[in-house]
Amino acid sequence: DIVMTQSPATLSVSPGERATLSCRASQSVSSNLAWYQQKPGQAPRLLIYGASSRATGIPARFSGSGSGTEFTLTISSLQSEDFALYYCQQYNNRPPVTFGQGTRLEIK
Amino acid sequence: QVQLVESGGGVVQPGRSLRLSCAASGFTFNYYPFHWVRQAPGKGLEWVAIISYDGSKRYYADSVKGRFTISRDNSKNTLYLQVDSLRAEDTAVYYCARDPYYSSFYPQMDYYLDVWGKGTTVTVSS
Repeated sequence: DIVMTQSPATLSVSPGERATLSCRASQSVSSNLAWYQQKPGQAPRLLIYGASSRATGIPARFSGSGSGTEFTLTISSLQSEDFALYYCQQYNNRPPVTFGQGTRLEIK
Repeated sequence: QVQLVESGGGVVQPGRSLRLSCAASGFTFNYYPFHWVRQAPGKGLEWVAIISYDGSKRYYADSVKGRFTISRDNSKNTLYLQVDSLRAEDTAVYYCARDPYYSSFYPQMDYYLDVWGKGTTVTVSS
């Protein structure tokens, strides 16, 4: 199975600043990469699919990039509601699909 | 609005069984594949299973293969997960989630998850 590794485990950023989250695949997943946001006690929410396409209703401050084995989720100007857990997921070699272990984005 | 609501979780002894349900509303249930994903306490997300729109294709994670069965009843807009021979390591919140591949002809799946339920908790403990 493909192993997804996210870094850093925790990222501390001030509101209004930019956040950059990384996700690395153990082998190429092409552009078959999704990002999810999860807040405490809530279900995950799809943010990005196809590595760079925003899901319905997702604000433009969220953007995804990358292909192959290296991917990035960028939040351009952090709002208070953006502080959460973020997971990447590959769906190129499936089944199974695999998730990264998550990055916690916290207020600095 | 588009909604998925899970039910059927609870506290169960090791070796016992449960059937989880996921009721869908606000969209055409029978045109979409569905997944189950679980999250152990304080841990990350683990994909469990997927079923095609017509039930003809079903795939499982190795960790649950032979013990869990995914199914659906398109007449009831409901997805199920039969969980048998439960183990302590199956303790988790179980989410149902929609796969965005839309078709009434081809049992294909996109394998990412665009709509999620709020989850139902399964605790395996003696």
